[in-house]
Amino acid sequence: QQQVKQSPQSLIVQKGGISIINCAYENTAFDYFPWYQQFPGKGPALLIAIRPDVSEKKEGRFTISFNKSAKQFSLHIMDSQPGDSATYFCAASMGNQFYFGTGTSLTVIP
Amino acid sequence: KAGVTQTPRYLIKTRGQQVTLSCSPISGHRSVSWYQQTPGQGLQFLFEYFSETQRNKGNFPGRFSGRQFSNSRSEMNVSTLELGDSALYLCASSLNALGTTGELFFGEGSRLTVL
Repeated sequence: QQQVKQSPQSLIVQKGGISIINCAYENTAFDYFPWYQQFPGKGPALLIAIRPDVSEKKEGRFTISFNKSAKQFSLHIMDSQPGDSATYFCAASMGNQFYFGTGTSLTVIP
Repeated sequence: KAGVTQTPRYLIKTRGQQVTLSCSPISGHRSVSWYQQTPGQGLQFLFEYFSETQRNKGNFPGRFSGRQFSNSRSEMNVSTLELGDSALYLCASSLNALGTTGELFFGEGSRLTVL
């Protein structure tokens, strides 16, 4: 059973556009929601993370929107750049156990 | 500061064999967790160790096992390999203390191909 559901599976965006990736979870015990970015041949790296006591967190061009009542959170990449082309994973954790979404392959076209 | 180091990076095995993968965490990190990454399935949690003790275990068969040494280095072993075990195995280390959530730092993975 997938604890965290992620969509879309793939996304193509024009340079300068907004990329949006969505995730949903069921377990209300989750208390930490990170997003990881993975380039080919590399391990995932933390991009941005949020805790459920806030509804939004912004770091540069990356924003997490968090809806606790709907049990959903999303990643917004503003002014998307070709260098953002990568696979993005959302995750949810409680304590030391992390559950990851199935990933979104983002391609930003120049 | 050196990152998480995984060895070997690539390996090819045949069905029925066993494999051992190694992970050296970031210096000072005491938590090491392992994930299996396959296309379409994302990252599936295998197990997590802290101070040589397995704290959590994912939903994988007993053929998958692991251990952690006193220097925090960890190994995972897969016995009686099956074709479906072909995947990228990722190790992640974390500084977090018991009961807290810390950032995961991933290695580049060990890509296992089972023929």
